[in-house]
Amino acid sequence: DTAVSQTPKYLVTQMGNDKSIKCEQNLGHDTMYWYKQDSKKFLKIMFSYNNKELIINETVPNRFSPKSPDKAHLNLHINSLELGDSAVYFCASSQEDGSGYGYTFGSGTRLTVV
Amino acid sequence: GENVEQHPSTLSVQEGDSAVIKCTYSDSASNYFPWYKQELGKRPQLIIDIRSNVGEKKDQRIAVTLNKTAKHFSLHITETQPEDSAVYFCAAFKSNFGNEKLTFGTGTRLTIIP
Repeated sequence: DTAVSQTPKYLVTQMGNDKSIKCEQNLGHDTMYWYKQDSKKFLKIMFSYNNKELIINETVPNRFSPKSPDKAHLNLHINSLELGDSAVYFCASSQEDGSGYGYTFGSGTRLTVV
Repeated sequence: GENVEQHPSTLSVQEGDSAVIKCTYSDSASNYFPWYKQELGKRPQLIIDIRSNVGEKKDQRIAVTLNKTAKHFSLHITETQPEDSAVYFCAAFKSNFGNEKLTFGTGTRLTIIP
């Protein structure tokens, strides 16, 4: 039973389109995150949500809009996709108890914009 | 905010030799330092971690050392094996309830030469 699951695993789309990536965690964690991993493998945080509330927004273009319907789900919607959005997007979750333990990543969504 | 630097960016070692990856962090309030291993096409997975009140931790062939004064921490892999080939990330975490995040280093691509 996958702890943090993302769909889809692969996404190929044309410039200008709008797409969504979904994430669900069954760990009972309070906090969920989106990370972007570019072609150089840099892992950079985009957003974090704590119990459905946006906590961190790391200067991400407003074409990216996260939505958390409940604390087990965090979706990422991207409008007007650009070539530079091509990357692997990882969802993660953690307990947010001050320890840092238990940070768990999803399997990633490889987004290719053509 | 926290800044984590990681060196080297690539590392090749003969099978059986040791590998060392070094990181520095900027925020003296960071108190938890995990290391992640990411195999090709897979998610980052925690391999070892250390808290700021500990100087060294070992788990079989891998060990992590922390110099809190110098704000350095390192990953040591002994008796390397081909399955150790992967990208390794260090990270720093600061307890800040309601605004917690891991800041990752830029990654080290480790190649074990048979």
